[in-house]
Amino acid sequence: DGGITQSPKYLFRKEGQNVTLSCEQNLNHDAMYWYRQDPGQGLRLIYYSQIVNDFQKGDIAEGYSVSREKKESFPLTVTSAQKNPTAFYLCASSPQGRNYGYTFGSGTRLTVV
Amino acid sequence: QQQVKQSPQSLIVQKGGISIINCAYENTAFDYFPWYQQFPGKGPALLIAIRPDVSEKKEGRFTISFNKSAKQFSLHIMDSQPGDSATYFCAGGSLEDLIFGKGTKLSVKP
Repeated sequence: DGGITQSPKYLFRKEGQNVTLSCEQNLNHDAMYWYRQDPGQGLRLIYYSQIVNDFQKGDIAEGYSVSREKKESFPLTVTSAQKNPTAFYLCASSPQGRNYGYTFGSGTRLTVV
Repeated sequence: QQQVKQSPQSLIVQKGGISIINCAYENTAFDYFPWYQQFPGKGPALLIAIRPDVSEKKEGRFTISFNKSAKQFSLHIMDSQPGDSATYFCAGGSLEDLIFGKGTKLSVKP
């Protein structure tokens, strides 16, 4: 079955720690994206990557970092510089361009304790 | 600047009724208009999508109506069921952008 796998499903972070969220896809999609979802705020773009070894900042990139060393993988690191990291994080991929539809993962809920 | 405006924020419909969610966009470069359905704790899933060369697309109980001149499109859910209770997102897409609306939380009462 092709799809996007996000792990872990739940993640707890102490203040001041960096954490990395995993996103793997076996859809052979070129583009991958990270979104943050907060209640009532919809989906906000953090970072995106259209090809391996290249990525661009989205609307709310501050306090986050990414890498794209393999086509299948696009991990997101939430750094200690992110002041309000508690949220639901969604990874998505698309075959080419943004007008061919996204496939989303099942999300990671990050909580700062 | 919000480029896709979605309304209402929340919607309560009786079982068997029609649910209608509306979206308006600004970017005339958009050529792809999907709707996503999201259940609590899950990622959004593509429900139905339309390109601007047609005015309506129907898949089962779900219909998109598209008005290019008004830059508006809407999702109609016929014979709404409690299992349709979810958050729905519209979006407008081009090669460079996929902009989401802020979502509509639909509750279908039995």
